[in-house]
Amino acid sequence: EVQLLESGGGLVQPGGSLRLSCAASGVAFSTYAMSWVRQAPGKGLEWISAISVSGGRTYYADSVKGRFTISRDNSKNALYLQMNSLRAEDTAIYYCAKDVYDNAGFFDYWGQGTLVTVSS
Amino acid sequence: DIQMTQSPSTLSAFVGDRVTITCRASQSISTSLAWYQQKPGKAPKFLIFKASSLESGVPSRFSGSGSGTEFTLTINSLQPDDFATYYCQQYNSYSWTFGQGTKVEIK
Repeated sequence: EVQLLESGGGLVQPGGSLRLSCAASGVAFSTYAMSWVRQAPGKGLEWISAISVSGGRTYYADSVKGRFTISRDNSKNALYLQMNSLRAEDTAIYYCAKDVYDNAGFFDYWGQGTLVTVSS
Repeated sequence: DIQMTQSPSTLSAFVGDRVTITCRASQSISTSLAWYQQKPGKAPKFLIFKASSLESGVPSRFSGSGSGTEFTLTINSLQPDDFATYYCQQYNSYSWTFGQGTKVEIK
């Protein structure tokens, strides 16, 4: 069974940093592109970043470009999101999501999410 | 970025009804469209890809259609488990974008 488990969320002050992790199991992690998708409280889904199978290609939404960095460690079946210069509007549940196939752009498995709250 | 607009935002229906949700793209995305279902406090569930291809295990009462800029998700004979929020998502070009969601409520 495919499982994605996010961790690392919490309360952080504006301007602060946080690193999210996503641990994958039950899947050949190194053969799928991965993404981060977030959902602000009571709002819709927002794709924010994707990474290719090898990690050599990364993509970002304009809302996080230059502040967030996606990475992966295929030896550890892990996906990461380094978030810097956090703003109040970054407050959301952050989901990691697995592409249906490499660079498919749509997602068949999602984690349960980790909540990031940016507030002073 | 390609903008995705869903209508209606909220839909009230009875169990057994046929419901249709529309998703419009700001430019042509061919058939690069997926649909997801989300229940409160849960992660989204993948339903449909390539506008009309049903994911394995998804009930056949769900169907999708469309191409270019206009797409629909239809649920035939709405079941109690179907009351949820539905999102479309384009994957034709980065940045991938979602519609704002359509909440299907019990009437």
